[in-house]
Amino acid sequence: GAGVSQSPSNKVTEKGKDVELRCDPISGHTALYWYRQSLGQGLEFLIYFQGNSAPDKSGLPSDRFSAERTGGSVSTLTIQRTQQEDSAVYLCASSLRAGRDTEAFFGQGTRLTVV
Amino acid sequence: GDSVTQMEGPVTLSEEAFLTINCTYTATGYPSLFWYVQYPGEGLQLLLKATKADDKGSNKGFEATYRKETTSFHLEKGSVQVSDSAVYFCALRGDTGRRALTFGSGTRLQVQP
Repeated sequence: GAGVSQSPSNKVTEKGKDVELRCDPISGHTALYWYRQSLGQGLEFLIYFQGNSAPDKSGLPSDRFSAERTGGSVSTLTIQRTQQEDSAVYLCASSLRAGRDTEAFFGQGTRLTVV
Repeated sequence: GDSVTQMEGPVTLSEEAFLTINCTYTATGYPSLFWYVQYPGEGLQLLLKATKADDKGSNKGFEATYRKETTSFHLEKGSVQVSDSAVYFCALRGDTGRRALTFGSGTRLQVQP
């Protein structure tokens, strides 16, 4: 596709429910990242996938959060038993490779509201 | 671990004023440095980058120089426009350890006509 695509763009869920957020990276990009942007805050790293390597999960805030990347392309971020503090914009990015000078391209994000 | 510190905003300037947004970093090795911009209602996009010491990144009239001696990457523009109103994020990607970008907290710029 032309860019990184995320769905849904907005999600309202009740506290305690599970949610799945989807990311379609740019075709051919081997690296994929998830970040969280809370209101008035910077970007908080969540998880990073690079090719077939084991993902870097060091940013996941709790075991309620998990992510997978199928076939080296589409990724799904799952939040179980959502809490109000999970409300944020979840951003996905991809880059052609993992090199330190490689540009990351961001999607528009999924705005998650937990009520 | 790696970290990025930006000046807190919001920064409010009049059109045609000079802009500086300070950014300093902590990282091992030789990171690459980036400025990303988020315009209202839009996603983050790369503004400029520099990959080694003394490199200057530039785009759309914005500039930033990679200063290893002061571990800084300050963003500057000589004459801002209303259309520059956005949130600016300084970021780095290290050459060791985590390969994801590490971001600063962002600085909101508001340019008034």
